[in-house]
Amino acid sequence: QKEVEQNSGPLSVPEGAIASLNCTYSDRGSQSFFWYRQYSGKSPELIMSIYSNGDKEDGRFTAQLNKASQYVSLLIRDSQPSDSATYLCAVTEYSSASKIIFGSGTRLSIRP
Amino acid sequence: DVKVTQSSRYLVKRTGEKVFLECVQDMDHENMFWYRQDPGLGLRLIYFSYDVKMKEKGDIPEGYSVSREKKERFSLILESASTNQTSMYLCASSSPRSTQYFGPGTRLLVL
Repeated sequence: QKEVEQNSGPLSVPEGAIASLNCTYSDRGSQSFFWYRQYSGKSPELIMSIYSNGDKEDGRFTAQLNKASQYVSLLIRDSQPSDSATYLCAVTEYSSASKIIFGSGTRLSIRP
Repeated sequence: DVKVTQSSRYLVKRTGEKVFLECVQDMDHENMFWYRQDPGLGLRLIYFSYDVKMKEKGDIPEGYSVSREKKERFSLILESASTNQTSMYLCASSSPRSTQYFGPGTRLLVL
């Protein structure tokens, strides 16, 4: 069974610090990788996608991908209270042109 | 902007009722998905569709069926609702091998 593993948290980070969220995946053939943010009671929204090894930056967010280690991470710089949410890591399944495998999410709490 | 809409935000049904949840997307996406999300269990795929009239079972299809008669519309049907189907239901759409975009979700309570 293909899996995406995340630490469920909660991860507590002081306001203004860097939050680091990690994810490992089992499908070596996965090509596309996503981070979604989900506020309580709301649906997931895409915040980052990454397709090749290395770093990708978008504002305060940086996604990092290491395919050899099957590892994806998300860094949030200058963390704000509004960043408090659950972050879902998601990975495309190589054998399917359609399916994405989601991790169970890491709950992030930014403390003032 | 991609828009995925779901027919209801909140729904209350009785055990044994037939329940229809509808999802519409406006981005001409080939793929559409139905998930349920429960505390501690994450997102679980119920069914997905990669083309009109095509469907594939996900991880937890029991007790559900789906219909996709038009490309933009994907319906989830609970033939006979049970209390263990109380959940948040999320619809998503995507192009092949690409990002999934989610609708706002339907919170279903079965009494």
